[in-house]
Amino acid sequence: QVQLQQSGPGLVKPSQTLSLTCAISGDSVSSNSAAWNWIRQSPSRGLEWLGRTYRRSKWYNDYAVSVKSRITINPDTSKNQFSLQLKSVTPEDTAVYYCARVYDYGDYIYFDYWGQGTLVTVSS
Amino acid sequence: QSVLTQPPSVSGAPGQRVTISCTGSSSNIGAGYDIHWYQQLPGTAPKLLIYGNSNRPSGVPDRFSGSKSGTSVSLAITGLQAEDEADYYCQSYDNSLSWVFGGGTKLTVL
Repeated sequence: QVQLQQSGPGLVKPSQTLSLTCAISGDSVSSNSAAWNWIRQSPSRGLEWLGRTYRRSKWYNDYAVSVKSRITINPDTSKNQFSLQLKSVTPEDTAVYYCARVYDYGDYIYFDYWGQGTLVTVSS
Repeated sequence: QSVLTQPPSVSGAPGQRVTISCTGSSSNIGAGYDIHWYQQLPGTAPKLLIYGNSNRPSGVPDRFSGSKSGTSVSLAITGLQAEDEADYYCQSYDNSLSWVFGGGTKLTVL
């Protein structure tokens, strides 16, 4: 059974960097069949995919256009986890942030495991 | 503004059948990408309900079913139960190289 455990601060000041970590158990961040994602949810934007990191022959990252200039997602193989950094945050970045696994089951690819969610409020 | 469009709310009495539609465009559903559905209970993360348009993961009751015909996609729930009251989201892939979601539909069991 795969479990994703999120950690990180729930309050970030405007213009600072939001940082969250997602610890993986039951799978490996280096899996050749999985991708590790960050998704956020807010009343104004709904569910919004932010980006992913995954390893095939090498490490890859893909980011949503809406946050591409501000986001970094990094794997940490020594701790079997991955992280999200979102720079220069504004109150519009206030949301519940989720980490989630996408798995390639061959015929289908979908989000099958999610973290518990972290409410991040951007406020001074 | 979500890429996939769902009705904001639907409702039904216990035992009834409801359907939730999900409309996209030529860059996602119309491009042939699969649709997946998630159920989100209050205060929890979304949970996979239907994958690959019409397949149920183990443990999901057969009261839940999904269908896709061309660009028309829907989730049906039969024999409504109070525990089905939740938010439901459709999800697909888009040619913009990103995963996309619907805006969510709140199901109220009357």
